[in-house]
Amino acid sequence: GAVVSQHPSWVICKSGTSVKIECRSLDFQATTMFWYRQFPKQSLMLMATSNEGSKATYEQGVEKDKFLINHASLTLSTLTVTSAHPEDSSFYICSAMKTSGSSYEQYFGPGTRLTVT
Amino acid sequence: AQSVAQPEDQVNVAEGNPLTVKCTYSVSGNPYLFWYVQYPNRGLQFLLKYITGDNLVKGSYGFEAEFNKSQTSFHLKKPSALVSDSALYFCAMTSGYALNFGKGTSLLVTP
Repeated sequence: GAVVSQHPSWVICKSGTSVKIECRSLDFQATTMFWYRQFPKQSLMLMATSNEGSKATYEQGVEKDKFLINHASLTLSTLTVTSAHPEDSSFYICSAMKTSGSSYEQYFGPGTRLTVT
Repeated sequence: AQSVAQPEDQVNVAEGNPLTVKCTYSVSGNPYLFWYVQYPNRGLQFLLKYITGDNLVKGSYGFEAEFNKSQTSFHLKKPSALVSDSALYFCAMTSGYALNFGKGTSLLVTP
């Protein structure tokens, strides 16, 4: 199997505080993980590509200083929303890429619901 | 630029009837296409993918999709819908590793 977990599944924080979301590949190693953001009834928007041992690659329009990504091991990537504001409230989903020879596939976490009050 | 489009925001079908969720794509080369399903407040579950080979791809939960190069389409189908199939369905295409998602189609299967 290929299981990806996220923690926490939901979090409520006050405006101005920081929140860390963890994404773990439980039964495989993932050199590459991705962070997506989903607004209600909308599609997933890729925020950044997280590569183990190197800096994340952010999509255009995503503030790298606000959304800090760390991929310190082959099974863990973290997304920290710094100085959160109500407009950061969203559903954040990570995925981890499992490679097998020349093929690869993404496995998604269950998502984290962030509400900033 | 490459993209996927899901022209329908919502599809309604009666239980037991066949269902189709549409997806079209635009890409300069060969597309790698995927279908995912999302239940409320949950992550995405992989249904199937087309990389190469047979145009008819069979996936999880009885779903299948047909790759049509001339029509640049990759419609998701199921011969007999279940109420439990009601969910949000995403078509996606990869450009390298990251996935580019369509806007999603909400499927409602009524008893």
